Amino acid sequence: AQTVTQSQPEMSVQEAETVTLSCTYDTSESDYYLFWYKQPPSRQMILVIRQEAYKQQNATENRFSVNFQKAAKSFSLKISDSQLGDAAMYFCAYRTGDSNYQLIWGAGTKLIIKP
Amino acid sequence: KAGVTQTPRYLIKTRGQQVTLSCSPISGHRSVSWYQQTPGQGLQFLFEYFSETQRNKGNFPGRFSGRQFSNSRSEMNVSTLELGDSALYLCASSSEPESSYEQYFGPGTRLTVT
Repeated sequence: AQTVTQSQPEMSVQEAETVTLSCTYDTSESDYYLFWYKQPPSRQMILVIRQEAYKQQNATENRFSVNFQKAAKSFSLKISDSQLGDAAMYFCAYRTGDSNYQLIWGAGTKLIIKP
Repeated sequence: KAGVTQTPRYLIKTRGQQVTLSCSPISGHRSVSWYQQTPGQGLQFLFEYFSETQRNKGNFPGRFSGRQFSNSRSEMNVSTLELGDSALYLCASSSEPESSYEQYFGPGTRLTVT
């Protein structure tokens, strides 16, 4: 069975600095998708970035980028120029490329932004 | 385009009762998934529906059930509520045939069982 591990329960970063959140996963599949979701205190889960396993190029969305290491089964999220609005729980999620449509989630990392 | 909506937002029930939660997906989205979020177990997949058919089900007891209507709106039902069912229930919708099946979440329904 696939598993997703986020080893950092909590991270803090100074405003305007860069922070990296870690995620590792375990799978025997070759075709899958990885996601980072953000859940602010308001509870609305928001998609931050996604990565298709067949793509070697790391995904980037404005200040958010990933470091996808397929062989190492690692999928870290880098947030540049951290802003107060980035404070939230961040969840790493995995989905297989087959007909199983569920997301498998990590435990989450609470990101604190220090002003 | 309106986002995913869930009703009600908050609910308090007593052990042994049953509850029905509703989810309206983004217009045009035909896939609806349900997740349970608790501090202890984190986010767990309940089930996923597409075109009124349940395609996948998570590892939850039969007290948890769902359905999807022809307009893609979905409901989930929990019968004989237990204290451990207290959780945030999240609904997510996605469009197909997008290959990545990105899911867009609603604000959730906070269920408290007393």
